[in-house]
Amino acid sequence: DQQVKQNSPSLSVQEGRISILNCDYTNSMFDYFLWYKKYPAEGPTFLISISSIKDKNEDGRFTVFLNKSAKHLSLHIVPSQPGDSAVYFCAASGPYSGGGADGLTFGKGTHLIIQP
Amino acid sequence: KAGVTQTPRYLIKTRGQQVTLSCSPISGHRSVSWYQQTPGQGLQFLFEYFSETQRNKGNFPGRFSGRQFSNSRSEMNVSTLELGDSALYLCASSFGVQETQYFGPGTRLLVL
Repeated sequence: DQQVKQNSPSLSVQEGRISILNCDYTNSMFDYFLWYKKYPAEGPTFLISISSIKDKNEDGRFTVFLNKSAKHLSLHIVPSQPGDSAVYFCAASGPYSGGGADGLTFGKGTHLIIQP
Repeated sequence: KAGVTQTPRYLIKTRGQQVTLSCSPISGHRSVSWYQQTPGQGLQFLFEYFSETQRNKGNFPGRFSGRQFSNSRSEMNVSTLELGDSALYLCASSFGVQETQYFGPGTRLLVL
């Protein structure tokens, strides 16, 4: 049973526009959420995180929104650039989360393609 | 500051063999976690070590084991390899537990 779901395997966005990547989770014990970006043949690179006590966190072009009641988070990238083309993973952690208390539970990723 | 390093980067083994993968965390980081990435299952948590002690373990069989040394370097071992163990094995380190994890490039294991 997938506890973290990214329902869009791929997303295509024009350069300069906003990219919105979505993630849903089922385990209400998750209290910390992260987004990672991954290029082929490399390990995931940490992008941005959010604690469950907040509903928004910004870092430059990246903003993560958390809606706890809907168990939903999203990553906004504005404006999108060609170098943003990669696979984006949503991850969650928390006590008794099933990934170990401190292990991350990942979604299966969304392949973002930025078109010129 | 150097990132997380993993050796070897690529490995080919046959069924029934065993394999040991190595991970050197970012300097000063004391927590090391291991993950398996496969096309079907995505990224799955294997185990986490902190101060040479295994703190948490994911849902993997006992053939998967690991250890951490006093310098925080970690190794993971897979015994009696199966075809389904073919995957990218990722190591991540963090300064402490429940802190942001930074990943290495991974070791790609192919079991024939």
